Amino acid sequence: GAVVSQHPSRVICKSGTSVKIECRSLDFQATTMFWYRQFPKQSLMLMATSNEGSKATYEQGVEKDKFLINHASLTLSTLTVTSAHPEDSSFYICSAGGQGGRGYTFGSGTRLTVV
Amino acid sequence: GESVGLHLPTLSVQEGDNSIINCAYSNSASDYFIWYKQESGKGPQFIIDIRSNMDKRQGQRVTVLLNKTVKHLSLQIAATQPGDSAVYFCAEKSEGGYNKLIFGAGTRLAVHP
Repeated sequence: GAVVSQHPSRVICKSGTSVKIECRSLDFQATTMFWYRQFPKQSLMLMATSNEGSKATYEQGVEKDKFLINHASLTLSTLTVTSAHPEDSSFYICSAGGQGGRGYTFGSGTRLTVV
Repeated sequence: GESVGLHLPTLSVQEGDNSIINCAYSNSASDYFIWYKQESGKGPQFIIDIRSNMDKRQGQRVTVLLNKTVKHLSLQIAATQPGDSAVYFCAEKSEGGYNKLIFGAGTRLAVHP
């Protein structure tokens, strides 16, 4: 079945630094990938939609200059949290699919801790 | 971003009982719904889906019911097992481009032996 690989699974970074999270579709091409953020004991909140070869579409209230998304190929999307602060600490999850009747496949998530 | 940022309600059940988890969705134009199970520290795991032209769909030990009149979705788990303990989310496919998936608030299911 479809597999989405997300790395790293955990990362701790210092405040003010940037962190890149990768999401790869291993056995299918993903024209569209979605990035979610999940705070403890809360639901998944859609941050942005990543489209191969074009600019990402951000949800209302999500800073596009802070959360940089790149979808340079049909199998790779990256999310870079720039100038991270402790309030950015969260669980970030990517998802691919939803196109052409295909289901959605989720990555395993990245736990970001900013200290 | 979209979604409801509420703290999760908890449903506690005894092992072997049936569980019913409810969800209210937001968009009457949504035409596709999915139930996910999420264990701690992991990504969501697909359980069952349903399209808006149906009102019931059954899987192995799970049944999803859709009531479009009141925009309500439920997940029924038969003979609940300790391994079913997790957080359950309903999600709706948003209308418009890109097929965005919007998640509901979620319910924590705690199964006691």
